[in-house]
This record gives sequence, C-alpha cells and structure tokens, in this order.
Amino acid sequence: GESVGLHLPTLSVQEGDNSIINCAYSNSASDYFIWYKQESGKGPQFIIDIRSNMDKRQGQRVTVLLNKTVKHLSLQIAATQPGDSAVYFCAENMLGTYKYIFGTGTRLKVLA
Amino acid sequence: DTGVSQNPRHKITKRGQNVTFRCDPISEHNRLYWYRQTLGQGPEFLTYFQNEAQLEKSRLLSDRFSAERPKGSFSTLEIQRTEQGDSAMYLCASSSGPGTLFFGPGTRLTVT
Repeated sequence: GESVGLHLPTLSVQEGDNSIINCAYSNSASDYFIWYKQESGKGPQFIIDIRSNMDKRQGQRVTVLLNKTVKHLSLQIAATQPGDSAVYFCAENMLGTYKYIFGTGTRLKVLA
Repeated sequence: DTGVSQNPRHKITKRGQNVTFRCDPISEHNRLYWYRQTLGQGPEFLTYFQNEAQLEKSRLLSDRFSAERPKGSFSTLEIQRTEQGDSAMYLCASSSGPGTLFFGPGTRLTVT
C-alpha cells in the first residue's frame, strides 16, 4: 500500500528500546489530546488520550506526558516492537467543541 | 477495525468526472467528520455533522464538494468535476460526543 508521510520526521529505534515521540500543539486553550497511530494504507488508530487536568497517563506499553507550560506532548513506547512501526500523530481539541487539530506526524521505524 | 467503514477503499477517476464516497459510522455515534489527508501531512478537517445537521464546513471544501448525512446515520461525500489536486486519502471519523474520534480505513482517490 501507499506509504503515509514520506517526508515526515523519522525516528529510528532498535527493537526492544524505548521510543519517545514529541509533539508541539498550537492552541493554549486546548484541553484534550489524543495520540493516533497510522499504518500504511490505513486510517488513524487511537492509542491513548489525556485531558489537560493531568500531566501523565499510562496505558499498555505507552505513556503520554503533557506539559501545558510549553504546549508540549510526548508519547513514550516501552520495549518497542516491529509492529509499532507506523506514523504517529497527535491531535488537540477543546472539549465541548468539535474541532480537532492534527500535527504533521512522526514516522517510527523499528530496527531488528 | 474501529467499526467505521468506508467505501470504496480505492477510486481512480479521470479529471472532470464526479465521484461519491460513503461512510458508515459506529451505529450509536451522532457525530461524523470528514477529513482529507495528503502525503506527509496530518488529516485536515473538511466538514462535521451532528446527527443529520452539517454544522461546519472548512474553507478547503470548495463548491465542487458536497456532503450529506440524510438520516443521521451514513454519510456521503461527493466531489464534482474532479481535479488532480483532489487526489488524497479521504477519511471519515465518528464519535458519540466530546472525546475520541474513531476513524475508518479511508478512501484513496487518484485523479488522472
């Protein structure tokens, strides 16, 4: 299938290492944030979300960190696996509105 | 599989032809979104429905584009007189309210 994000920033990590993907969001009034994973030829898939009243949230092998002071969001993936190879997007939203703004994405390559 | 389906998955058409895409959201979701995604970019908002009402259209949506959601369930996106610049992935997403968007697999449009 056609690749998503041929010209995106790329992060290459060794299998088993931890990955950190960063995102700078644009609107200081945003209060809800989502990380999506997009594999080639597929739609974005929900990974984890966080509300602005939190600064950290953990899922299975993933952690999202939110720094509202500098409008920065990060996604940490523990023990990265080949199946984690994809493009990752952050999205921001103001709760109560329908507008979701997506970042440009980061391609994660997992090296065997 | 998020439960959002889109048809067709791929469409190749000649410049000047009309095309129509269909989205079936998750059945209990009253909010439906159309996004467009080009290579190397995150999804860009096109339009939003709450039930059958189209509440917002992006400036990206020229008068050649029209979207409907006649019974508040499935939605169609029509592009008239297609241009090569319309080539993109068209994504549909749905939600039950404020919060996570669930995306379909997308329709890849190629205009030759």
